[in-house]
Amino acid sequence: DAMVIQNPRYQVTQFGKPVTLSCSQTLNHNVMYWYQQKSSQAPKLLFHYYDKDFNNEADTPDNFQSRRPNTSFCFLDIRSPGLGDAAMYLCATSRVGTPPGNEQFFGPGTRLTVL
Amino acid sequence: AQSVTQLGSHVSVSEGALVLLRCNYSSSVPPYLFWYVQYPNQGLQLLLKYTTGATLVKGINGFEAEFKKSETSFHLTKPSAHMSDAAEYFCAVNYSGYSTLTFGKGTMLLVSP
Repeated sequence: DAMVIQNPRYQVTQFGKPVTLSCSQTLNHNVMYWYQQKSSQAPKLLFHYYDKDFNNEADTPDNFQSRRPNTSFCFLDIRSPGLGDAAMYLCATSRVGTPPGNEQFFGPGTRLTVL
Repeated sequence: AQSVTQLGSHVSVSEGALVLLRCNYSSSVPPYLFWYVQYPNQGLQLLLKYTTGATLVKGINGFEAEFKKSETSFHLTKPSAHMSDAAEYFCAVNYSGYSTLTFGKGTMLLVSP
């Protein structure tokens, strides 16, 4: 089945130690998104790639970076995680144009714990 | 600019009762509307969406929603709640062309036996 895969599902890191989260998709979608979701809150968009074009949200901290080496993969790098970065990180994909609505397909998420 | 308001951060129902989760939107152009469900420690799953055409939209797991332009609403309903419906529900909006989703704050649905 076509899907969005996130690895790892659970990640524990130390304060200040860089961490990379990974997302892959078999849907051949041209847009990939990274969201941060804290407990009992809506997902907050960090950035997205439309093909190779990177779009950063204005309030995304510089501590968060992303890479998209090819259509299928996208990475979220947190350069120096702080305690406030502990959250669920969701990857999503969509295909702009068809079908109408720009429906997003979400991966299962990576739960990040910062010690 | 677009926005989504979900009335009620928590809704409690008994098993077998009607489920009604409210969503109102604000959009300066014709909207596309979505309901997503999220179970604990999982990603979001699309329940249903409205883009164009029929205003009553049927989704998975027996849910449906009606787009009412005059009321700027897209409320989610299910005639009879099941224990497995307990989850967080998010309403979201975007519009024609390339645009990101704007989410509501979510409503936690609690189902009691």
